[in-house]
Amino acid sequence: QSALTQPASVSGSPGQSITISCTGTSSDVGGYNYVSWYQQHPGKAPKLMIYDVSNRPSGVSNRFSGSKSGNTASLTISGLQAEDEADYYCSSYTSSSTQVFGGGTKLTVL
Amino acid sequence: QVQLVQSGAEVKKPGSSVKVSCKASGGTFSSYAISWVRQAPGQGLEWMGRIIPILGIANYAQKFQGRVTITADKSTSTAYMELSSLRSEDTAVYYCARVRGYSYGSDYYYYYMDVWGKGTTVTVSS
Repeated sequence: QSALTQPASVSGSPGQSITISCTGTSSDVGGYNYVSWYQQHPGKAPKLMIYDVSNRPSGVSNRFSGSKSGNTASLTISGLQAEDEADYYCSSYTSSSTQVFGGGTKLTVL
Repeated sequence: QVQLVQSGAEVKKPGSSVKVSCKASGGTFSSYAISWVRQAPGQGLEWMGRIIPILGIANYAQKFQGRVTITADKSTSTAYMELSSLRSEDTAVYYCARVRGYSYGSDYYYYYMDVWGKGTTVTVSS
């Protein structure tokens, strides 16, 4: 199972919006609405931000949103804030009953 | 509020095995699954496998098949991950995470991880 493809880095200024893409195949992202996104700050455990493509867990800011089209899922962060600077990972359920992560995207808030 | 408490850091020799534990504090495994995810220094997250404790069913990433064993003790709400034939590339932080999802008849789709342990550092060095 190959890792999902994410851009290595994205950046934006405070207040702006950014989008991180996550491309897989019909055996994972495209085959199921079981895509999740995680935020990880340095030295910390990952934190669930989005599940079921577009659902936010309780306590996650509504500035975070998710979507999917075909084999590509996306995470959008609006109204960028300094604390959003972190690594972001997508993940998908797969047809092998396993799970796969993306390579991760480093978000820099300029 | 469930917390996952992992065992302490380990230093192992190449060729040996390591067993990391993950205890659910403040709750039980109930109808959830437990996944293990590792992160090598400066690298991304890597899914290793998952167990559904109430069913005793485990699935593993192909990369680790034959080298990793994930088990769970329902009586103590503790999950374990054992990795054998260790090599230097296995040096990483190993996380356990509570996994939620859906079941439809005999089909289970556990995939999103909403509670994470703090991680256990495993260092493989001669």
